[in-house]
Amino acid sequence: QKEVEQDPGPLSVPEGAIVSLNCTYSNSAFQYFMWYRQYSRKGPELLMYTYSSGNKEDGRFTAQVDKSSKYISLFIRDSQPSDSATYLCAMSGTNAGKSTFGDGTTLTVKP
Amino acid sequence: EPEVTQTPSHQVTQMGQEVILRCVPISNHLYFYWYRQILGQKVEFLVSFYNNEISEKSEIFDDQFSVERPDGSNFTLKIRSTKLEDSAMYFCASRSRSGDNYGYTFGSGTRLTVV
Repeated sequence: QKEVEQDPGPLSVPEGAIVSLNCTYSNSAFQYFMWYRQYSRKGPELLMYTYSSGNKEDGRFTAQVDKSSKYISLFIRDSQPSDSATYLCAMSGTNAGKSTFGDGTTLTVKP
Repeated sequence: EPEVTQTPSHQVTQMGQEVILRCVPISNHLYFYWYRQILGQKVEFLVSFYNNEISEKSEIFDDQFSVERPDGSNFTLKIRSTKLEDSAMYFCASRSRSGDNYGYTFGSGTRLTVV
């Protein structure tokens, strides 16, 4: 079993849709949870980060962590064509330790 | 906005040759990392570096790999004798000591092609 499993996609939605991106994990030591956006042949760009369980909102993005279910989600409201990218979840056990990444979900938002 | 800068953006090398990938992390960051991403695969951890020494390394980071911070700004990854399977995007990342930001800032990567 992989430590981090990410919904594989690809995902294609119309502009304005609500997008849900999800990851599950098996390592109960993970306490720090991140979402990155990656454009083709570029480095990942940090979108959201949360510690332990709970919700965090930043503009159109909401990150949710449910440690009891070992499940994290990223919601994108009012999706835009510029949101088209690959989204990576990542997790770590300490705040400066290595991160374990999911495989990524490629999202296309159609105008 | 501060950036992590990586050079070169693309390097082609012969199998068996040594390569050095260079990174300039954000100036007030204290933790440094190298990750790699083979085409179409996930981002994989290679090594972390703090206080002038390796703090953690993966199974991938074998004796062929080494890291250095030769001066106050640069952070390098050296592969001594490249193999075909070393072909990948190599990303440098850094983060500050600030306790409320758990994510990294990544560079744009170096695409290494071993032929």
